[in-house]
Amino acid sequence: GQNIDQPTEMTATEGAIVQINCTYQTSGFNGLFWYQQHAGEAPTFLSYNVLDGLEEKGRFSSFLSRSKGYSYLLLKELQMKDSASYLCAVMDSNYQLIWGAGTKLIIKP
Amino acid sequence: IAGITQAPTSQILAAGRRMTLRCTQDMRHNAMYWYRQDLGLGLRLIHYSNTAGTTGKGEVPDGYSVSRANTDDFPLTLASAVPSQTSVYFCASSASGGQGNHEQYFGPGTRLTVT
Repeated sequence: GQNIDQPTEMTATEGAIVQINCTYQTSGFNGLFWYQQHAGEAPTFLSYNVLDGLEEKGRFSSFLSRSKGYSYLLLKELQMKDSASYLCAVMDSNYQLIWGAGTKLIIKP
Repeated sequence: IAGITQAPTSQILAAGRRMTLRCTQDMRHNAMYWYRQDLGLGLRLIHYSNTAGTTGKGEVPDGYSVSRANTDDFPLTLASAVPSQTSVYFCASSASGGQGNHEQYFGPGTRLTVT
C-alpha cells in the first residue's frame, strides 16, 4: 500500500529553527510537495522536489532523498504566523497526490 | 472571481438527501480535483478531471459523482448523503494533471455535516 508518515505535532520557539520530517512508500514517484494549512483554511503550496537535494526559498527549505524515501521541511527564524499544519504529499505513478496526515506546528513566544 | 471558489461555505444535511457542492475556477486550469479532509487523516482524493469532458475516480469515490462540462466548473454530487460523509470538502485545480510541478490551488472548502 501507499503510505506517508510525518509527526502529528511539533512545538518550537519563536526565532528558532524546526525540521519537519516526512517518509513515504508509494507506487512510483513523480515529485514531493509541501503545503501549509492554517486552521480553518485551505492548504497553500510551499515547495516541490523531484530531484535529490535541498531547495531553498527564503526562510523555508525542503530536502529530498529518493533512495531513502525521505524528505524534510526546514523552517528558519520562526514567526508566530508559522503556526499551522504542514502537509507532505507525494505524486505517485498515476500523477495523483498521496497526502500525509499533516504535522501541526505550535510556535511559542 | 480570483482563483477558485466553492459553495456553500457550510451545510447541515439530513441523511438521505441529495446535495451538490459547487466549485468554479477562473485560472483556465485543465485539471480539477475533489478531496475530503477528516481529522487525523490526510486529504483523500474523491474524483478528479484532467480536462473538460473527462473524469476519473480517486481513492474514495463511493457515494459521490462529478461532471466536467466545461473548463471552469467541477460540481460534486452526493446522491444520498450518509453520516460518514460528514467532512470538509476541498476543490482544487492545477494547470495540468500530468508530470511536473503542477501545484494545486485549493478553494476555501465546504464544511458538510450529515445528520
